[in-house]
Amino acid sequence: GAVVSQHPSRVICKSGTSVKIECRSLDFQATTMFWYRQFPKQSLMLMATSNEGSKATYEQGVEKDKFLINHASLTLSTLTVTSAHPEDSSFYICSARSPRTSTDTQYFGPGTRLTVL
Amino acid sequence: SQKIEQNSEALNIQEGKTATLTCNYTNYSPAYLQWYRQDPGRGPVFLLLIRENEKEKRKERLKVTFDTTLKQSLFHITASQPADSATYLCALESEGSYIPTFGRGTSLIVHP
Repeated sequence: GAVVSQHPSRVICKSGTSVKIECRSLDFQATTMFWYRQFPKQSLMLMATSNEGSKATYEQGVEKDKFLINHASLTLSTLTVTSAHPEDSSFYICSARSPRTSTDTQYFGPGTRLTVL
Repeated sequence: SQKIEQNSEALNIQEGKTATLTCNYTNYSPAYLQWYRQDPGRGPVFLLLIRENEKEKRKERLKVTFDTTLKQSLFHITASQPADSATYLCALESEGSYIPTFGRGTSLIVHP
């Protein structure tokens, strides 16, 4: 199946700092990637849709100036949490659709655990 | 508003038995319904997709049913094993949406 990686897998930072999370599709080109946030025992909440070469589309309630998304190539999207605060602590997961599968299914990365002190 | 309901209580079963998980939805007419497995601290892994015009789909020990009248999907794991212990998420997607909406998931614990 298609493989999506994320880096780092875990990050702890001080309040006020910025954190960048990378999402890569390793064996396919993804024109669209998705960023989710998941709190404990909660469902995945879509934050934004990242399109290669254009601006991301943010879901209602997600601050685009706080969560900067860059989709610089067909295999890489980055999420930068700017001026992070403790309430931003969460599990961030990216996904990408593989155009090779007939089901057009999303493949998820392993996630990044962000802890803001 | 659209709502997806999965049992929040963990399902505990004995190894070898069939596990059955339920996904109910309201105010939604999905074209596709998907089931994912999520292990603690990991991203979801796709298992099965079923379309609105399909009643049932199977893959190895997995079986999914989709009843658009009842607005319900059942996810079965036969001959369950302790390694099947995980949280199982259902996700609904409208035609042309390409963005599924996820339920909270149900935790399955298979005891040896």
